[in-house]
Amino acid sequence: EAGVAQSPRYKIIEKRQSVAFWCNPISGHATLYWYQQILGQGPKLLIQFQNNGVVDDSQLPKDRFSAERLKGVDSTLKIQPAKLEDSAVYLCASSFPLYNSPLHFGNGTRLTVT
Amino acid sequence: AQTVTQSQPEMSVQEAETVTLSCTYDTSESDYYLFWYKQPPSRQMILVIRQEAYKQQNATENRFSVNFQKAAKSFSLKISDSQLGDAAMYFCAYRSAGSSNTGKLIFGQGTTLQVKP
Repeated sequence: EAGVAQSPRYKIIEKRQSVAFWCNPISGHATLYWYQQILGQGPKLLIQFQNNGVVDDSQLPKDRFSAERLKGVDSTLKIQPAKLEDSAVYLCASSFPLYNSPLHFGNGTRLTVT
Repeated sequence: AQTVTQSQPEMSVQEAETVTLSCTYDTSESDYYLFWYKQPPSRQMILVIRQEAYKQQNATENRFSVNFQKAAKSFSLKISDSQLGDAAMYFCAYRSAGSSNTGKLIFGQGTTLQVKP
């Protein structure tokens, strides 16, 4: 089966600019996760979708971050305006809608904010 | 809230030797899952091994095994016969069980494993 696809692979922007990341989950996976991984740290959940509804966005900085999953398939994560501390790898993962279904991760997008 | 702690930022092992990575966690739940993930430079998280909290038997996957101590809230990973390809960052992760939970993973800070030839 095709894995979780993410693009772009790398992105460099200046602070106060905007940026968007795209994720295409594995076919049939209703649950989609966006994680932020700052260099040297473990991934932190930003937002979780079940189909096109938000399950958990408690750690999403809503003043600058937004995410959507129209039609319950692809998802985009946006940052506007970006700050230096947003430099990180943004990982997308997907799973079947079962609490014990394994997560499958994409290769992530490495964002550098200068 | 649940937390996961990995106290070893870096570990080193000689090729063909055995190494153990440590992980402790904090939870008030009785039913949960624990995982070890490997993250090579490609950045993709690869599941290494998984343990269900209700199982007393420690999980094993080929050269990888865990020492799960539920009372001590400890979950260490042992890699036997280390290979150069094992060099990566390793993350311990926690996941609540039960249909009322969201299924999200909570990760530790990671341990970078270096394998010396």
